[in-house]
Parts: sequence; C-alpha cells; structure tokens
Amino acid sequence: AQKITQTQPGMFVQEKEAVTLDCTYDTSDPSYGLFWYKQPSSGEMIFLIYQGSYDQQNATEGRYSLNFQKARKSANLVISASQLGDSAMYFCAMREWTGISGNTPLVFGKGTRLSVIA
Amino acid sequence: KAGVTQTPRYLIKTRGQQVTLSCSPISGHRSVSWYQQTPGQGLQFLFEYFSETQRNKGNFPGRFSGRQFSNSRSEMNVSTLELGDSALYLCASSRSSGRVSDNEQFFGPGTRLTVL
Repeated sequence: AQKITQTQPGMFVQEKEAVTLDCTYDTSDPSYGLFWYKQPSSGEMIFLIYQGSYDQQNATEGRYSLNFQKARKSANLVISASQLGDSAMYFCAMREWTGISGNTPLVFGKGTRLSVIA
Repeated sequence: KAGVTQTPRYLIKTRGQQVTLSCSPISGHRSVSWYQQTPGQGLQFLFEYFSETQRNKGNFPGRFSGRQFSNSRSEMNVSTLELGDSALYLCASSRSSGRVSDNEQFFGPGTRLTVL
C-alpha cells in the first residue's frame, strides 16, 4: 500500500532563504508519480511540481525543485529565495500508474506548515 | 483557461439533512476525483469518476455518493449528514489520457461544509 510521510509538522524560514520540506514514501510499484501541493489559508490546493519514478533528472519549476532520491524513497521539496507569500501548508502526495484503465488515487501526507518570517 | 470550479463555496447544514456539491472540471479533463479534508484525518480520497463511470472508490460509507455527467461535470451527495461530515471537500480534475503526464490533478477551491 502507498504511504507518504512528512515528519515536519511546522517549519520557519527567513525571507529570501532556502528551505527544504521532507517527504518519504513507500510503494512496491515501480511506476508512480510524486506531487507537491501548496494550500494557503483559502483552502485551494495549488499544484507545484511533479516527479515521475522513471524521470532521470530532478524536477524544477521556478523557485521549486524536487530532490528525488529513489533508493531512499525520498522526494524533498526545496524552495529557494523564500517569500512571505510562501507561508502555507505543503503536501506531498503520490499515485501509482496502473494504466489507462485507472490509476490509484492520490495519497497525501499530513502536511508541513511553512511560515516565512520577514 | 478556466480552472476547476466548485459550488457552493460554503454550506451550513444540520444533522440528518442531505447535501449536494458540484464540480466543473477544466475543459478537456475527463477524470474528476473528490477528497475530504479534516483536521483529524487529513486528506482522504472519496471517489473518482471517468467518462461517467466510477473508477475508484475510497473507504467511506454509502451515505457518500457521486455521479458524473456527459460534460464531465460531477456532483457528490451526502445523505443523513453527521457532525463528523464537517470538512473541506475538494474536487480535482485530470486529463487521464493514459499518458503519465496527463494524470496530474488540478484542484478546485473546495466547498467548506459545516454540519450543526
């Protein structure tokens, strides 16, 4: 069964500094995808970045990068040059690819609340 | 391109009532999934619809049901509401074409349901 673990309930970071949010996962399927979402206080889940299990390079999207270590089953999110607007809950999630007939639903971790300090 | 929309955004009901929530996916997206988010249980999968058929179902009682229409819009219904059903209900859509990159899910703003 899939499982996502986020061990940091809360994190603080100074504005303009980089921060790493931890995520480890467990799956026995070789084909899967890892996602990071941001959830501000408004509630909407905002997609940040995606990493496929067969991707050779770590994913990057602007200030977001994913440090993917397959052997360790970790997919840490790195936010560079933190901004006040980055303060939010961050969720790591994964789903297994079972083919066109249906993939497994997203399984989420408990989340990490990031607070950016001016 | 319009994002995923959910209506209503906020809802207050009393125990025993029933409620219907609506989700309109991104144009061209055929898969719609529903999630429940509570402080205690976190984000939990309810069900997924693809081309008007339920494709996956989470571990929720039969009071929770859903459907999808031919235009991919989806509704979920909760009957005989309980206090524990108070939650943020999130809808997500994806192309689900079979290509891995088309399975990314994009979420709507959610419907916050309060049961009194």
